[in-house]
Amino acid sequence: DTAVSQTPKYLVTQMGNDKSIKCEQNLGHDTMYWYKQDSKKFLKIMFSYNNKELIINETVPNRFSPKSPDKAHLNLHINSLELGDSAVYFCASSLGTALYYGYTFGSGTRLTVV
Amino acid sequence: EDQVTQSPEALRLQEGESSSLNCSYTVSGLRGLFWYRQDPGKGPEFLFTLYSAGEEKEKERLKATLTKKESFLHITAPKPEDSATYLCAVQNSGGYQKVTFGTGTKLQVIP
Repeated sequence: DTAVSQTPKYLVTQMGNDKSIKCEQNLGHDTMYWYKQDSKKFLKIMFSYNNKELIINETVPNRFSPKSPDKAHLNLHINSLELGDSAVYFCASSLGTALYYGYTFGSGTRLTVV
Repeated sequence: EDQVTQSPEALRLQEGESSSLNCSYTVSGLRGLFWYRQDPGKGPEFLFTLYSAGEEKEKERLKATLTKKESFLHITAPKPEDSATYLCAVQNSGGYQKVTFGTGTKLQVIP
């Protein structure tokens, strides 16, 4: 039973399209995140939600819009996709700030914009 | 701004050949330093949190240590299944308690 599941695993789309990535966790965690990992393996936080409330919003273009319908779900919608958006996007969850038990990551969504 | 630098970028070891990975950091108030393991095509997997200088933690063949400026991940007698990318991250004590990751060390253990 997967703890943090993301769909889809692969996404290939053309520039200018709009796409969504879904994430669900069944761990009972109260905080969820979106991270972007670029081609050099650098993981950078994009958003963080605690109990459905946005608490971290890094300098991400407003084409990216997260939505958390409940504590177990955090989706990411991307408008007007650009070539530079190509990366692996990871959803993660934690208890509180992840200090003691770390994040639990999903397996990632590889987005390729052509 | 918080920074995490890991070295080497890649490391190739023979099975049984012990070594260390380095993580140097600068952070505005350290709440915790994390080590994660990432296998190809998967998300990072949490290994340890270290909270203060002098602390050590162990898990199987892995031992993590922490000083005020760096952390080491020692791998004793590695096996091929230890091959992965090891990521270091720091969490600051600011309002958002932001976590900053390094770019990792890719470890390959050859039988």
